[in-house]
Order: sequence, then C-alpha cells, then structure tokens
Amino acid sequence: SQTIHQWPATLVQPVGSPLSLECTVEGTSNPNLYWYRQAAGRGLQLLFYSVGIGQISSEVPQNLSASRPQDRQFILSSKKLLLSDSGFYLCAWSRDSNNSPLHFGNGTRLTVT
Amino acid sequence: DQQVKQNSPSLSVQEGRISILNCDYTNSMFDYFLWYKKYPAEGPTFLISISSIKDKNEDGRFTVFLNKSAKHLSLHIVPSQPGDSAVYFCAASIVGSQGNLIFGKGTKLSVKP
Repeated sequence: SQTIHQWPATLVQPVGSPLSLECTVEGTSNPNLYWYRQAAGRGLQLLFYSVGIGQISSEVPQNLSASRPQDRQFILSSKKLLLSDSGFYLCAWSRDSNNSPLHFGNGTRLTVT
Repeated sequence: DQQVKQNSPSLSVQEGRISILNCDYTNSMFDYFLWYKKYPAEGPTFLISISSIKDKNEDGRFTVFLNKSAKHLSLHIVPSQPGDSAVYFCAASIVGSQGNLIFGKGTKLSVKP
C-alpha cells in the first residue's frame, strides 16, 4: 500500500529564516505530487504541483518554491520566511491527473514569529 | 472569488440522525467532485467522489448527490456517529487540470451522543 510521509509535524521559525519541508511517498512510482496550504479560516489552496522529476508548476505567486529531486520526493522551501507564510502545509499525491483522489500527508503546522 | 463554497461553517447533529453537508460551486467546467474528512492535526482523508455524469454515488453510510443545474452537491451521512465528528471539505476539479482541486473552506460537523 502507498504511504506519504511529511515532516516535521510542527515548526516555529523566525521571520527571515529559511524553510525546508520534505515529503516522500512510498509504494507507488511516478506519482503526481502537490503542496497545499491551509491558512487560518480558509480552505486548502494549491501552491505547487509536479508531474515528474524536475517538473514544477506554481499556482500562486508567493515567497515559496518547490523542488522534486527524486521521483517520490517533494520539497517546499523558502529563502526568507514572512509572517504571512504561517499556516498548515499539506503534501499530497495522486496516481494521475484524471479523476484520481489526492492522498494527503498529516501536514506541517508552520508558525513564523 | 471562491469557486467552491461551503456556506455553513459548522453543523451539529444527534447521533443516529442524518447529517447533510452542502456545497455550491460556480465554475461550470468542474466535472469531478470529492469530499474529504479532516481530523485535527491530520491531513484530509478522501471520503467519496462523484463524476459529473452521475447524480448520486453511495458508499456505505455516505452518499453524495450532485445537482448540476443548481451547481450544488451534498454529502449525506446516515446514521451519524460520534466518530464522524470532523471538518468536511468539498473539492472540485476539471479533468486534465493536473489534479488541481479547488477546496471549500470546510464545515465542522459535531455528532453528539
């Protein structure tokens, strides 16, 4: 069966510090990978998605970037965090692009102070 | 502009009764709809989905209804159980959109014993 790992579960970082959140998927190959964010009082917003190694699409302009160095590894980064980057970050995977449900990790609660 | 709306932020239901969670959408290009369930400090879990070619899909205690003319879908849980207490997210996508799910803000369901 497939599993998705996301870490850390919680993170407190000062403004201006860098960020690196990692996500790995097991039990499947060539998955589509996604980073979502849930800000307070809002729904889930897609930040990035990737259909293959080195292929990253950004949905919204922001202070963050994503990379996919390996087939089942997806990394969310920032060089300098802003207060507005606080939120709940979720990694997800799906089998393909057509009507496949997303399967989410347990998320990272990021607080920028 | 919200394309997927869940107008009720919360819902309280007695155990054993029916829970009805509602969702409205504005984009007529959406052709695939999903419901996710989320417990605190966990990622959303896929619950049930429906394609736009159907108007009903049932899985155990969960049934999703789709009314395309009204751009409305609902999730029925019968009978409701205390373990169903969670936040429920409605999501929609367009085939070929690389799995870009548009989420509503969620409805918090509380099932009281």
